[in-house]
Amino acid sequence: DAGVTQSPTHLIKTRGQHVTLRCSPISGHKSVSWYQQVLGQGPQFIFQYYEKEERGRGNFPDRFSARQFPNYSSELNVNALLLGDSALYLCASSFMTGVATEAFFGQGTRLTVV
Amino acid sequence: QQPVQSPQAVILREGEDAVINCSSSKALYSVHWYRQKHGEAPVFLMILLKGGEQKGHEKISASFNEKKQQSSLYLTASQLSYSGTYFCGTEGVSGGSNYKLTFGKGTLLTVNP
Repeated sequence: DAGVTQSPTHLIKTRGQHVTLRCSPISGHKSVSWYQQVLGQGPQFIFQYYEKEERGRGNFPDRFSARQFPNYSSELNVNALLLGDSALYLCASSFMTGVATEAFFGQGTRLTVV
Repeated sequence: QQPVQSPQAVILREGEDAVINCSSSKALYSVHWYRQKHGEAPVFLMILLKGGEQKGHEKISASFNEKKQQSSLYLTASQLSYSGTYFCGTEGVSGGSNYKLTFGKGTLLTVNP
């Protein structure tokens, strides 16, 4: 079975631009979470979606938005990019939402803002 | 609030044991442990729930002290493959239908031959 797939793997953007990151969960998984990981730090929670509804939101500005599609894939959008948005963006897939749910991470998208 | 992990880094020789700790200042419902190797995705190790339930790999052991809001990950007879950065993630008791997993800064474990 395919794992969590994210695209693109690497991306370079200019300050002020917009970016869209994509994630396909493991087949049968209905929940997708997004995390931002800055070098040397742990992943920081951005959003969780379950059955196309937002179920959790971290402390990120409104420039960050996401959505989940009927096939459970998800997009993370970031507007008006700042240099500080440079990070590894991880997507995690799980069968359901809520506590005690094992999450499987994708390889991530490395975003560099110049 | 972000959980605090200790130590920040540890170096072992193959076969030695290590303990990684994770503590939180808020009441916890669950603690999740992941290992991340350089350039790779985090890999699930274990979930510990309030009340004593655990889910995870048989070769990994951990504890969750609900009174102290602390969890410890026990790595015994370490192997070279255990090298990586270990993260704990915590869920608070007030989650309700809202989900939020907060990760610590990680503990870098290096196992040498």
